[in-house]
Amino acid sequence: DVKVTQSSRYLVKRTGEKVFLECVQDMDHENMFWYRQDPGLGLRLIYFSYDVKMKEKGDIPEGYSVSREKKERFSLILESASTNQTSMYLCASSYRGGRTEAFFGQGTRLTVV
Amino acid sequence: DAKTTQPTSMDCAEGRAANLPCNHSTISGNEYVYWYRQIHSQGPQYIIHGLKNNETNEMASLIITEDRKSSTLILPHATLRDTAVYYCIVRVARNNSNSGYALNFGKGTSLLVTP
Repeated sequence: DVKVTQSSRYLVKRTGEKVFLECVQDMDHENMFWYRQDPGLGLRLIYFSYDVKMKEKGDIPEGYSVSREKKERFSLILESASTNQTSMYLCASSYRGGRTEAFFGQGTRLTVV
Repeated sequence: DAKTTQPTSMDCAEGRAANLPCNHSTISGNEYVYWYRQIHSQGPQYIIHGLKNNETNEMASLIITEDRKSSTLILPHATLRDTAVYYCIVRVARNNSNSGYALNFGKGTSLLVTP
């Protein structure tokens, strides 16, 4: 089975902390994605990566950065966490090209206090 | 980018077919229609996708109209475990078709399957 694993299910951080959300996939997928999901707003794309060290901004990249040093791992970084970044964060991966499905992790519910 | 329109919510009795509609009137010729669902507190799950022909797999059937401006996802015998939010998505090319793409999720349809 395809597995996309997010390092934490629940996370509580303080305002101003640097936060790392880690995602690992075991299917040798080229593409990896970070979304956030908020009530009433649906899933919104933060960043995606189509190859090692390659990244592209999504719809809401402000306040976030990403790192992809290895093919299987895609990290989302909150440089200085703020309360408006409290959300559910979802990682996904897929093969290159537009005709394949994306596989999602279980999500990380981040609370910034 | 082609946008999709789905009803906000639907009900279906257990054991009956659930037919979830989606309008995508601005879809372009090389864009696929994808369906995902999200069960509460879980990540989205891929269901099915298609270009212009009807598709069927072990989970569902996808019926796309001849003009491709709308589609219907059919769950033939809905169960309580099918209660979820269902997303109809048209593939968006974020870079080029050889390097990557991203899915734009809308609000979806909240399907409630009742006993």
